[in-house]
Amino acid sequence: AQSVTQLGSHVSVSEGALVLLRCNYSSSVPPYLFWYVQYPNQGLQLLLKYTSAATLVKGINGFEAEFKKSETSFHLTKPSAHMSDAAEYFCAVSPNTGNQFYFGTGTSLTVIP
Amino acid sequence: GAGVSQSPSNKVTEKGKDVELRCDPISGHTALYWYRQSLGQGLEFLIYFQGNSAPDKSGLPSDRFSAERTGGSVSTLTIQRTQQEDSAVYLCASGRNYGYTFGSGTRLTVV
Repeated sequence: AQSVTQLGSHVSVSEGALVLLRCNYSSSVPPYLFWYVQYPNQGLQLLLKYTSAATLVKGINGFEAEFKKSETSFHLTKPSAHMSDAAEYFCAVSPNTGNQFYFGTGTSLTVIP
Repeated sequence: GAGVSQSPSNKVTEKGKDVELRCDPISGHTALYWYRQSLGQGLEFLIYFQGNSAPDKSGLPSDRFSAERTGGSVSTLTIQRTQQEDSAVYLCASGRNYGYTFGSGTRLTVV
């Protein structure tokens, strides 16, 4: 079975500060992992994905995430927050055998000027 | 098309009526997913299609919900006898090789 836990439903950071959004997963098979961003009244946009290549994955808008098998984590980071980063962020896991795609409950990021 | 298209973008319906939500995936994408996003909630998986078949329907919340996909392309999610708790944003995603793209969703309001 696969599942995703996102710690912290709301995260606030100051503009220019480090962004860290946490994601832990459980998977009975090697997972593929994803981060999506949802801006208000919009659909989900893929930020980045891990599909068993490099463990440090770089995505769009300066975000990156590191797959740590020993910690079953896939935390999302960005060195310097921008006001435009304010959005809802979702972590997702999929078994590398295909089929279902499981999402976490989301983390709402607020950027304080 | 360039992206996943969902229609209508907004739907207000009376309790007890049936509704159909449409998803036009990106051409060539074999996988198609339906999710539901309720206010303040995460994304709830509804159903997954691979081609025209649905190997995983486990997320459909009741027998009032059904979905089909024809020609390996367009999918329709049907909700019969809508209830107020069905109010949500219904999102469709398509993809292949783990590149999934979401549509902007259909916001369903049951009054």
